[in-house]
Amino acid sequence: SQTIHQWPATLVQPVGSPLSLECTVEGTSNPNLYWYRQAAGRGLQLLFYSVGIGQISSEVPQNLSASRPQDRQFILSSKKLLLSDSGFYLCAWRSSYYGYTFGSGTRLTVV
Amino acid sequence: AQSVTQLDSHVSVSEGTPVLLRCNYSSSYSPSLFWYVQHPNKGLQLLLKYTSAATLVKGINGFEAEFKKSETSFHLTKPSAHMSDAAEYFCVVSDQTAGNKLTFGGGTRVLVKP
Repeated sequence: SQTIHQWPATLVQPVGSPLSLECTVEGTSNPNLYWYRQAAGRGLQLLFYSVGIGQISSEVPQNLSASRPQDRQFILSSKKLLLSDSGFYLCAWRSSYYGYTFGSGTRLTVV
Repeated sequence: AQSVTQLDSHVSVSEGTPVLLRCNYSSSYSPSLFWYVQHPNKGLQLLLKYTSAATLVKGINGFEAEFKKSETSFHLTKPSAHMSDAAEYFCVVSDQTAGNKLTFGGGTRVLVKP
């Protein structure tokens, strides 16, 4: 069966520190992968999506970047976190058969 | 371009009474529409989806939604609310072009009173 792993579940980081959130999927090959962010009191916003290894599309200009070094691995990064980067980050993948599956999310607090 | 508007940011209902969450969308293509629920500190769970089959879609936990193309609406309903339904609900439209991106509504937070 298909599963998605996202970690860590919670993270508190100081302003200016780097960030690396990882997402991996199992049970599928060549999935479309997505990073979403939910800021406090707001809906979900698409940050990045990837249709294959090394292929990243950015939806919103920001302090973050994404990479896909392997078929089933999707990483969200920042060199220097800002206070406005705080939020709930969700990784998702889509297969033509199963549709969308979301990870359990990472709650990031930048202090 | 596509967009989703959830007409109510908060809905308060009494346990055992009906729930109605309103959603309107715009899309340049034949849309796929979804409702997701997010309980506190949890990820998103799919309640139901519409993908151009029957316009009345039944989902999990007694929820259902009706796709009305003429009104560009996809409202979510449940005949009798349960305390466990307290959560945030998102209406979502899928872009059929490259990437199959999802566009989320702003969310509706549901409070269920005993």
